Amino acid sequence: DTAVSQTPKYLVTQMGNDKSIKCEQNLGHDTMYWYKQDSKKFLKIMFSYNNKELIINETVPNRFSPKSPDKAHLNLHINSLELGDSAVYFCASSQAPLVSLSVRRGLRYGYTFGSGTRLTVV
Amino acid sequence: GESVGLHLPTLSVQEGDNSIINCAYSNSASDYFIWYKQESGKGPQFIIDIRSNMDKRQGQRVTVLLNKTVKHLSLQIAATQPGDSAVYFCAETTGGFKTIFGAGTRLFVKA
Repeated sequence: DTAVSQTPKYLVTQMGNDKSIKCEQNLGHDTMYWYKQDSKKFLKIMFSYNNKELIINETVPNRFSPKSPDKAHLNLHINSLELGDSAVYFCASSQAPLVSLSVRRGLRYGYTFGSGTRLTVV
Repeated sequence: GESVGLHLPTLSVQEGDNSIINCAYSNSASDYFIWYKQESGKGPQFIIDIRSNMDKRQGQRVTVLLNKTVKHLSLQIAATQPGDSAVYFCAETTGGFKTIFGAGTRLFVKA
């Protein structure tokens, strides 16, 4: 039973296309995230939602739009794909949005990651 | 901006030896740190965490050391096994909300 599942696992598409990546978590976590990992393995946060509310919106092109229909789902839609968008995109979830809140609840703060979506733009 | 960095991009160790992976962080206000392990084709996986009010924490075969004076974090893996081969990330959180990941260190375990 996969805790954080992303689809698709691989996505190859042409420049200019619009594509979506879906993410679902069955852990009952309140907070979900999208991270981008480049070819050098560097992980950079893009967005975070807590109970369907956007709480982190890093400096990413507005071609990227997250959507959270409920707290178990966080999807990422990308318009007008560019070569530089090629990367691995990871969805993650955590029990609480804040370390301090996790401590008060007696929870571990760490993230649970999905297995990633490798996006290749040609 | 603040960042988390690693001293060594790659580390090669003999099976059975101990491994030490180092990490330098620049934000003295960071109060929570986590080490993650990422195997090929998978997402990062939580290994061990430590809060800034501690200087050492031990898990199964892993120990994390925190030196706030020099803003240094290390992950020690005892009796390294082939299954430990992966990329290891340190991550810091300051006041919650956002976790910043370091660049990663690739660990190779030689049989």
